[in-house]
Amino acid sequence: SQQGEEDPQALSIQEGENATMNCSYKTSINNLQWYRQNSGRGLVHLILIRSNEREKHSGRLRVTLDTSKKSSSLLITASRAADTASYFCATYNAGNMLTFGGGTRLMVKP
Amino acid sequence: EPEVTQTPSHQVTQMGQEVILRCVPISNHLYFYWYRQILGQKVEFLVSFYNNEISEKSEIFDDQFSVERPDGSNFTLKIRSTKLEDSAMYFCATPDWGYGYTFGSGTRLTVV
Repeated sequence: SQQGEEDPQALSIQEGENATMNCSYKTSINNLQWYRQNSGRGLVHLILIRSNEREKHSGRLRVTLDTSKKSSSLLITASRAADTASYFCATYNAGNMLTFGGGTRLMVKP
Repeated sequence: EPEVTQTPSHQVTQMGQEVILRCVPISNHLYFYWYRQILGQKVEFLVSFYNNEISEKSEIFDDQFSVERPDGSNFTLKIRSTKLEDSAMYFCATPDWGYGYTFGSGTRLTVV
């Protein structure tokens, strides 16, 4: 089964606007993580939220987790052109592996 | 900041040839992972390696694939007889428990 499906698949906004990406998953998790990938580059860890947490902040990032709905959201406030990248959610469960979703391609126009 | 280093950054190989992708993980880490990402698609788990043994592997990780830690520091992924569909980015990663995974910058494998 697929775990960690992001929505939308692509998002285009103007610099200064907020960007919201959503992630849904199917099985129980220990934690959920968000990663960023610039085109053709490696994955960079952004933030981790544990299954007993509901909200977490890191700089301009805000992540929420609703385990009853098996969903998470990533909010990037006051976006910048440099935020242009693909963003992936990944779930970590008892199998000791990360399972990634298909990602959201974010474009921030200057 | 600790890094995971992968070499080469790009490799082009003929179909049917063997390739070895190398990773130098963060020192003193015992868990290692290989993931791959076909262009434009999601990142897929291949295999996890703990204490010099395979811990978990996916359906993708068939008999053509193998992993080794030949010298206690390097960590390799070998594909014995490459196929066109093996063309992808391959990432190794180590977990930083509670803080996410550190991924290498990847090896882009192109099979022609």
